[in-house]
Amino acid sequence: DAGVTQSPTHLIKTRGQHVTLRCSPISGHKSVSWYQQVLGQGPQFIFQYYEKEERGRGNFPDRFSARQFPNYSSELNVNALLLGDSALYLCASSWPSPLHFGNGTRLTVT
Amino acid sequence: QKEVEQNSGPLSVPEGAIASLNCTYSDRGSQSFFWYRQYSGKSPELIMSIYSNGDKEDGRFTAQLNKASQYVSLLIRDSQPSDSATYLCAASVNQAGTALIFGKGTTLSVSS
Repeated sequence: DAGVTQSPTHLIKTRGQHVTLRCSPISGHKSVSWYQQVLGQGPQFIFQYYEKEERGRGNFPDRFSARQFPNYSSELNVNALLLGDSALYLCASSWPSPLHFGNGTRLTVT
Repeated sequence: QKEVEQNSGPLSVPEGAIASLNCTYSDRGSQSFFWYRQYSGKSPELIMSIYSNGDKEDGRFTAQLNKASQYVSLLIRDSQPSDSATYLCAASVNQAGTALIFGKGTTLSVSS
């Protein structure tokens, strides 16, 4: 079975731009969660979606948004990028727990 | 502020020794606890999950949970150089166990 797949693997953006990250969960998993991991820190919870509805939100500004599609895949959108948004963005799928992470998208904001 | 705390290390052990990793959490409502291993430049990989007080063993790994003390630990027996990685402790903040608070991780180095 394929694991959690994320695209793209790497991305370089300029401050102020917008970015969309994509995630496909493990087959049969209906929940997708997004995490941000900056260097030297543990992952930080951004969003959880289940059956296309937001079920949890971490302490992130409104520049961050997400959605889940009928096939349970998900997108994370970040507007007005800041240098501090540079991080590894991890998608995880589950239902129920535990979480299984994808390989992540490395976002660099210059 | 809900927190998970770990010693950042590095924790250095010789090959074949037992490595002991510890973690404390602040949210008494947390019901699920997890240990993830993360190699440099890679994503976290689930090693163990534990939901009730006591010990849980899986191969060379044993997780221990003490909810009264808000303490979680991971023992790695017969440590191998391939175990060298950062170990992340996580506690759930929702009932489904899908919203996790992670510690900063403990770096383990196993020397041959």
